Amino acid sequence: GAVVSQHPSRVICKSGTSVKIECRSLDFQATTMFWYRQFPKQSLMLMATSNEGSKATYEQGVEKDKFLINHASLTLSTLTVTSAHPEDSSFYICSARGPRLPGTDTQYFGPGTRLTVL
Amino acid sequence: DAKTTQPTSMDCAEGRAANLPCNHSTISGNEYVYWYRQIHSQGPQYIIHGLKNNETNEMASLIITEDRKSSTLILPHATLRDTAVYYCIVRVATGTASKLTFGTGTRLQVTL
Repeated sequence: GAVVSQHPSRVICKSGTSVKIECRSLDFQATTMFWYRQFPKQSLMLMATSNEGSKATYEQGVEKDKFLINHASLTLSTLTVTSAHPEDSSFYICSARGPRLPGTDTQYFGPGTRLTVL
Repeated sequence: DAKTTQPTSMDCAEGRAANLPCNHSTISGNEYVYWYRQIHSQGPQYIIHGLKNNETNEMASLIITEDRKSSTLILPHATLRDTAVYYCIVRVATGTASKLTFGTGTRLQVTL
């Protein structure tokens, strides 16, 4: 249980184009999803918190107009990288706050999407 | 959220127990200790969490010191597939701002 999928797993695009990444919770509903970015040999950095039916909350330094987040249903959040540039090339990972384990809630992560901008 | 300190890297022979330490000396009374791991080019995988009692599941055991200032994740019989970066994170249990803050983690290399 508590499976999160991402699509696509890998995408290559030209500079200036937009790319949409989907994050789905397959066997549970998630009112809150999170988007992370990870550069090579670095740790995960939280970009934004996505709440179903409301606007996303972005971390400091993350451009909300460049990284558009939509969380239209309890099982789907999307991240659109607009006007992508080579410096946006990274590993993008989503997570969903899943079924509660005793005493706390837990995030379950998707497999990640590797974006390469040429 | 409290800051954690982990060794940069560790080696372990296959079949032996892997003991991964984590210091969190500034942990607050309402903060849990979480462990995640990330195998190369994959998303992080939840392993285990605890508050103050030792915990065990099918993947690992978590030993938390009585003063809660440090903990150890134990993989009882490490295999090559356990090679990954292991992250120790402390955070409050619930709430709208229950974010995970990843540090640099411990790179565990399991060898034959």
